[in-house]
Amino acid sequence: AQSVSQHNHHVILSEAASLELGCNYSYGGTVNLFWYVQYPGQHLQLLLKYFSGDPLVKGIKGFEAEFIKSKFSFNLRKPSVQWSDTAEYFCAVNGGSQGNLIFGKGTKLSVKP
Amino acid sequence: ETGVTQSPTHLIKTRGQQVTLRCSSQSGHNTVSWYQQALGQGPQFIFQYYREEENGRGNFPPRFSGLQFPNYSSELNVNALELDDSALYLCASSTGQGRRYEQYFGPGTRLTVT
Repeated sequence: AQSVSQHNHHVILSEAASLELGCNYSYGGTVNLFWYVQYPGQHLQLLLKYFSGDPLVKGIKGFEAEFIKSKFSFNLRKPSVQWSDTAEYFCAVNGGSQGNLIFGKGTKLSVKP
Repeated sequence: ETGVTQSPTHLIKTRGQQVTLRCSSQSGHNTVSWYQQALGQGPQFIFQYYREEENGRGNFPPRFSGLQFPNYSSELNVNALELDDSALYLCASSTGQGRRYEQYFGPGTRLTVT
């Protein structure tokens, strides 16, 4: 069965600090990988996705993620966070024929101004 | 904002009651998936509807059921509500079923069971 692990439950950073959120998945076949963000009081939004090709994926708002197949990882990065990045971040994998997403438990990011 | 809307925004029910949640998919989308997001957890897949047929189901009991209508809007019904059903219920629509189709999420319905 597919599963997704997010290593950090809550990350607290100061503005301008660099961010890396870990994500590992468990699935033996071909997968699509996603990072979603949920700002306080708002709906889930897609930050970026990986389907195939270049393993370094760039998303919205300066976020990027790197797919490392040998490590079953898809870590999210941002060189310099802003207070407005305060949100919950979810990694998800989609490997089944139906296309349903399997989410990690999420990482809450708090950015101090 | 996506074009996916959900109603109601919030509701409170009593244990043992039944509830119906509604979702309008984004224009041009024929697939709707429902997810349950308990507090402090990531969303969990309940089921998916594609062209009015259930297309897949997660690990949820039969008291969770759904419908999809010809206009591709959808309902989630939960019978015999339990306290653990308290959660944010998310609807997501896509232009097709399968793993290559991006899902667009609605704002969710917050269900509280007392």
